[in-house]
Amino acid sequence: QQPVQSPQAVILREGEDAVINCSSSKALYSVHWYRQKHGEAPVFLMILLKGGEQKGHEKISASFNEKKQQSSLYLTASQLSYSGTYFCGPIFLTTDSWGKLQFGAGTQVVVTP
Amino acid sequence: GAGVSQSPRYKVAKRGQDVALRCDPISGHVSLFWYQQALGQGPEFLTYFQNEAQLDKSGLPSDRFFAERPEGSVSTLKIQRTQQEDSAVYLCASSLQDRGNSPLHFGNGTRLTVT
Repeated sequence: QQPVQSPQAVILREGEDAVINCSSSKALYSVHWYRQKHGEAPVFLMILLKGGEQKGHEKISASFNEKKQQSSLYLTASQLSYSGTYFCGPIFLTTDSWGKLQFGAGTQVVVTP
Repeated sequence: GAGVSQSPRYKVAKRGQDVALRCDPISGHVSLFWYQQALGQGPEFLTYFQNEAQLDKSGLPSDRFFAERPEGSVSTLKIQRTQQEDSAVYLCASSLQDRGNSPLHFGNGTRLTVT
């Protein structure tokens, strides 16, 4: 039930764009996105609740496609501060536990000057 | 206001010892989660509380792991007879609501090393 994230890692130059994908094998109610810097706790970025809805955090936005059971995170005009590991966490439409938020393996993002 | 607080920050235990990890969630947060994070991996779900009720403990790796939240606030994760494979960072998170549309706020974790 763990979501699949791709790519596993991406290296960007400052100002470049990147897309991180998160796919699920089960119908989704919502998708959470978090970023974790080395040695720190994961930090909440955004929650996607509706199909196709886009949300933003700084120049980071995301979309949620219910039909495809996937979400994508867009890093636009990346900044050095965007470096870290990004995790998606889907909440499934049918679940015996609303709180069981399972994270993907993560996508490591490195932004270089 | 204060965030999620975990203690101790670091814990070294000899194999076979029992350990107790504490989590103080944000005041008023209904949901509380425990995760285990191995080096270079994503957080792995362990268990989830809604107030004092433990609604899901399917992620606990063995019966050596036990979690409680007796008054619906502070939670303790106990690991009995620790093994080397228990070495990891244990993250606690709390959430205002009990539904999937409320963000998780994480503590800084407890790094457990079993020697």
